[in-house]
Amino acid sequence: GESVGLHLPTLSVQEGDNSIINCAYSNSASDYFIWYKQESGKGPQFIIDIRSNMDKRQGQRVTVLLNKTVKHLSLQIAATQPGDSAVYFCAEINYGGSQGNLIFGKGTKLSVKP
Amino acid sequence: ETGVTQSPTHLIKTRGQQVTLRCSSQSGHNTVSWYQQALGQGPQFIFQYYREEENGRGNFPPRFSGLQFPNYSSELNVNALELDDSALYLCASSWGTRDNEQFFGPGTRLTVL
Repeated sequence: GESVGLHLPTLSVQEGDNSIINCAYSNSASDYFIWYKQESGKGPQFIIDIRSNMDKRQGQRVTVLLNKTVKHLSLQIAATQPGDSAVYFCAEINYGGSQGNLIFGKGTKLSVKP
Repeated sequence: ETGVTQSPTHLIKTRGQQVTLRCSSQSGHNTVSWYQQALGQGPQFIFQYYREEENGRGNFPPRFSGLQFPNYSSELNVNALELDDSALYLCASSWGTRDNEQFFGPGTRLTVL
């Protein structure tokens, strides 16, 4: 069935280093792939999305890469800061139906060491 | 903060009881989606409401039901609670049903004993 999963459940990085969070997906029909950040006690927060016909998109300090050949998605965070510590989820949306519901993976916990 | 509010923040119920969770969407948003997030897992889609009508449903039994009101706020009702219903319930609002940037509330933590 459809699934969005992550290679690494936890990631610990030094403040100032770059972080890379990876995700594998199985539904090649998804229209968009999205990264969400969830801090403790809060709901997920949209970070960045990428359309399925793109392979790279950049935001402020973040870059998402999409490799459709191997069904792989990654989130790169430049100059990681303590405030980046959170659980990161990749998610996908398939607009083939009438609704756009997010299909989330299990998440990667990012810990930033000062 | 996203402007999406949920109430209550925490709730404890016993098996077999019924619960109603509430969500106020962000101003200007007409679509509300509900998700269930078990501990250590990603959110799972329950259903979506668009202009007061259910507009899609995930793999949840009929005892999970909902409503959306004219002001676009929404309720999630769960009947005959089971222990496995213990989770964080999140609502997310968006403008339209094809908006990737869904704005999530802080969630309601439901514990079923």
